[in-house]
Amino acid sequence: QKEVEQDPGPLSVPEGAIVSLNCTYSNSAFQYFMWYRQYSRKGPELLMYTYSSGNKEDGRFTAQVDKSSKYISLFIRDSQPSDSATYLCAMSAGDGNKLVFGAGTILRVKS
Amino acid sequence: GAGVSQSPRYKVAKRGQDVALRCDPISGHVSLFWYQQALGQGPEFLTYFQNEAQLDKSGLPSDRFFAERPEGSVSTLKIQRTQQEDSAVYLCASSLGLGNTIYFGEGSWLTVV
Repeated sequence: QKEVEQDPGPLSVPEGAIVSLNCTYSNSAFQYFMWYRQYSRKGPELLMYTYSSGNKEDGRFTAQVDKSSKYISLFIRDSQPSDSATYLCAMSAGDGNKLVFGAGTILRVKS
Repeated sequence: GAGVSQSPRYKVAKRGQDVALRCDPISGHVSLFWYQQALGQGPEFLTYFQNEAQLDKSGLPSDRFFAERPEGSVSTLKIQRTQQEDSAVYLCASSLGLGNTIYFGEGSWLTVV
């Protein structure tokens, strides 16, 4: 079993929908939680960065971390075709450096 | 430069050939990372430098993989005697240091034939 599990999708939604992306993990030492967006043939781009449990909102994006359930989520409101990409969750332990990634979820937003 | 720069972007190597992949981190970033991303998978950690010191190389898959950062800036990932299973995207990333945001380059796409 991998340390971080993420449904690879693809997830297909209509434009304007609310998208929910999730990851589960097994290592209770993880304290830093991130969501990256990766377009085809590009490097991962940081979307959200959260330390420990709680919610964080940035524009159309909301990240949630539930350490008791070892479960993190990313919500995208009013999804746009330009949001079509692979979304990677990533996390690290106390040193905040070595990242462990999920496999990525492919999201397709149809206009 | 404005971002992490990697070269070459694309490399086709014959099995058994040695390759070298270069990374130019963001200016002033002391931390530098190499990750390997197989098709359809998330990136996997290879190695980490703080300035010129290689502090963690636990992710390097074999002794054919070697990374260096001699002056604490540019880094090179070298793969000796390439095998087909080495085909992947090699991502370089950098950050200001412990706990800071990690920025990725666009990757070097290696295909071993």
